[in-house]
Amino acid sequence: ETGVTQTPRHLVMGMTNKKSLKCEQHLGHNAMYWYKQSAKKPLELMFVYSLEERVENNSVPSRFSPECPNSSHLFLHLHTLQPEDSALYLCASSQGQGAEEAFFGQGTRLTVV
Amino acid sequence: QQQVKQSPQSLIVQKGGIPIINCAYENTAFDYFPWYQQFPGKGPALLIAIRPDVSEKKEGRFTISFNKSAKQFSLHIMDSQPGDSATYFCAASIGTSGSRLTFGEGTQLTVNP
Repeated sequence: ETGVTQTPRHLVMGMTNKKSLKCEQHLGHNAMYWYKQSAKKPLELMFVYSLEERVENNSVPSRFSPECPNSSHLFLHLHTLQPEDSALYLCASSQGQGAEEAFFGQGTRLTVV
Repeated sequence: QQQVKQSPQSLIVQKGGIPIINCAYENTAFDYFPWYQQFPGKGPALLIAIRPDVSEKKEGRFTISFNKSAKQFSLHIMDSQPGDSATYFCAASIGTSGSRLTFGEGTQLTVNP
């Protein structure tokens, strides 16, 4: 699959578990993003990475920990989540932060039990 | 604080109809307004976008109408088709940060055959 790939597609985890979401982009972009999509709520921008540096953290709880080891990969490490954290987590990338188009992955459907 | 408000939440039209989705924004600093289309199981994809120096933009069957004084913009889909059934999100951003998007709540469109 080309573009932006996210794994796993679905994840069920307990509140005491630790898991990680992975995102890989094959577009040669240098900016990557995590968004949260909850039912009947707008997509929420969580983190922005540009050239592997975190440039924005939109007041996201510390139980979400992003990591960007290189410009093609982005991770979201999860620990001690709450049921209200259940949502679709979308990764996106763009050619620079000033690009007009963000390319989204298919998302990881997370359920916290 | 919801900066981009979208309506309606859901919309059902017959094939050939012209669904209209409306968005209103509060932040006058926004100067880039894209629409994203999301099919089930997929991430959002850029459909069409407008900047406030024009009042209308057409791309194929999709048209954005923009009213700067009213701080409103809308998406019109001409000759709608069942394949247009999807969730549509309006969004807004500031300056060239087109990828740091503030999204509306989404509209689930169903086009019946």
